[in-house]
Amino acid sequence: DGGITQSPKYLFRKEGQNVTLSCEQNLNHDAMYWYRQDPGQGLRLIYYSQIVNDFQKGDIAEGYSVSREKKESFPLTVTSAQKNPTAFYLCASSPYGPGEAFFGQGTRLTVV
Amino acid sequence: AQSVTQLDSQVPVFEEAPVELRCNYSSSVSVYLFWYVQYPNQGLQLLLKYLSGSTLVESINGFEAEFNKSQTSFHLRKPSVHISDTAEYFCAVSEADKLIFGTGTRLQVFP
Repeated sequence: DGGITQSPKYLFRKEGQNVTLSCEQNLNHDAMYWYRQDPGQGLRLIYYSQIVNDFQKGDIAEGYSVSREKKESFPLTVTSAQKNPTAFYLCASSPYGPGEAFFGQGTRLTVV
Repeated sequence: AQSVTQLDSQVPVFEEAPVELRCNYSSSVSVYLFWYVQYPNQGLQLLLKYLSGSTLVESINGFEAEFNKSQTSFHLRKPSVHISDTAEYFCAVSEADKLIFGTGTRLQVFP
């Protein structure tokens, strides 16, 4: 089945630790995105990538890092510099530009 | 930069009643518009989209939305809701190479 896989579904980390969230797609899409979701704030764009080995900052990139070494993969690292990392993280992909996006099931990160 | 406004954070409604979820966007230039639905602890699923052509677009489960360029709106409607429609609904607009989302509207359907 084609789709986007995010893992793990739930993640717990201690404050001060870096953590990497996985996102893999087999849809052959060029563009991939990371969004953060908090109650009442909708989805806010963290990073996005239109092509392998290239990515751009979104609206809330501080404290996060990404890589795009393969077309299928777009991992997100939440660093210790992120002041409030507890949130629901959603990965998405789209075939090109501003077309519709396909979402993974999300990773709920809790930092204690 | 584009922005999306969903004025209603929550919409309670009884089963079989009609519902409208409002969405306004900031730009009057050509845009692509989307409605997504999210069930608890899941990702977003595309409900319907407007790219061009007819201003009225429909989904397979009875929702429809109308693109109104003069009012920069893309409201979502359903004439008769079901319990299973309870979810969060997000309006989104395209900007260059990314999607901009509204803050969401929680639709709660009561029996």
